[in-house]
Amino acid sequence: AQSVTQLDSHVSVSEGTPVLLRCNYSSSYSPSLFWYVQHPNKGLQLLLKYTSAATLVKGINGFEAEFKKSETSFHLTKPSAHMSDAAEYFCVVSNTGGFKTIFGAGTRLFVKA
Amino acid sequence: NAGVMQNPRHLVRRRGQEARLRCSPMKGHSHVYWYRQLPEEGLKFMVYLQKENIIDESGMPKERFSAEFPKEGPSILRIQQVVRGDSAAYFCASSPSSGQVNTGELFFGEGSRLTVL
Repeated sequence: AQSVTQLDSHVSVSEGTPVLLRCNYSSSYSPSLFWYVQHPNKGLQLLLKYTSAATLVKGINGFEAEFKKSETSFHLTKPSAHMSDAAEYFCVVSNTGGFKTIFGAGTRLFVKA
Repeated sequence: NAGVMQNPRHLVRRRGQEARLRCSPMKGHSHVYWYRQLPEEGLKFMVYLQKENIIDESGMPKERFSAEFPKEGPSILRIQQVVRGDSAAYFCASSPSSGQVNTGELFFGEGSRLTVL
């Protein structure tokens, strides 16, 4: 069975400060892990994905995530927040082939000027 | 290369009417997924389809909801006799066919927002 837990429903940071969005997962298989971003009234856009290659994954817009098997975590980070980063972020776990995809509940990121 | 296309983007229905939401997957994709997003909530899986087959409908309500993905044309999510609780954003996603490398990445449309009066 698979599950994913986003540990914070809301995160608020100041512009220019680091961002940390936390995600823990469980999976019976070697999982694929993803982070998606959703801006208001928009669809979801892929930020980055882990598929059993390098454990540190770099994505778009300066985001990166590190797969830590021992901690079953896949936290999303960015060194310096920008106002345009304000959005909803979803951590997603999927088994090989993508036939079972589970979404986390989402973390709303607020960026203060 | 066009992305996942959903229409209508916005749909208003009165209680008891039918809602039909359409989704055209990305070119070359033959796997389609439907998700529902209630206000201030995450995405809930509804159904996974391949051409002419429903693979997993474990997230579909037992009544009033149905989905299809015909050999030709878009995938359709149909909601009969809508109620106010059906008001939500419905997102379609697609992924490559099984003959290609499929890492599980989903490509999303911009959603169809259903409002039931």
